[in-house]
Amino acid sequence: KAGVTQTPRYLIKTRGQQVTLSCSPISGHRSVSWYQQTPGQGLQFLFEYFSETQRNKGNFPGRFSGRQFSNSRSEMNVSTLELGDSALYLCASIPGQGRTDTQYFGPGTRLTVL
Amino acid sequence: KNQVEQSPQSLIILEGKNCTLQCNYTVSPFSNLRWYKQDTGRGPVSLTIMTFSENTKSNGRYTATLDADTKQSSLHITASQLSDSASYICVVTSGGSYIPTFGRGTSLIVHP
Repeated sequence: KAGVTQTPRYLIKTRGQQVTLSCSPISGHRSVSWYQQTPGQGLQFLFEYFSETQRNKGNFPGRFSGRQFSNSRSEMNVSTLELGDSALYLCASIPGQGRTDTQYFGPGTRLTVL
Repeated sequence: KNQVEQSPQSLIILEGKNCTLQCNYTVSPFSNLRWYKQDTGRGPVSLTIMTFSENTKSNGRYTATLDADTKQSSLHITASQLSDSASYICVVTSGGSYIPTFGRGTSLIVHP
């Protein structure tokens, strides 16, 4: 089975712009979670989707949003970018909706905001 | 506030030696605790997942323990290999909100 695909792998944006990141989960997996990883804060949970519905959301401002499509692919959007949004954005693919399912992470998208 | 503290922050050991990493948490209520290995520049890889009723879980040379009473977990690595050099991250998920709280990780370096 192919692994989790995240595109693009690297991205450079300027303050005030918006960005959309994409995640294709492992075939057959129905849940996707998104995380932000920075040197200062470490890993932080953004949101989780199952069957096109947001099931959970972390403590991030409304500038961060996401969605999931019927084929389980997911996108996250960050509007009005700030310097502090520079981070590695990780997507995890989850087989079902079980709370103890193994999460399979993608390689991440490295976002740099100038 | 839910918190996960890991120690030590970094650790250097010789190849073939054993080591133990610690994770203390204040997350309540508790749902599950996970240990991940993250190589530099890559996404985390799941090592173990434990629920309240489990007090030990193994995955090859990795053995995790959980003491839900003291809210402590440890990850023991046996016969370390150079490929074990990575960051090891402890994650505790709340049983109420199901939001995961991440530790800052322990950076392990294995020297030949």
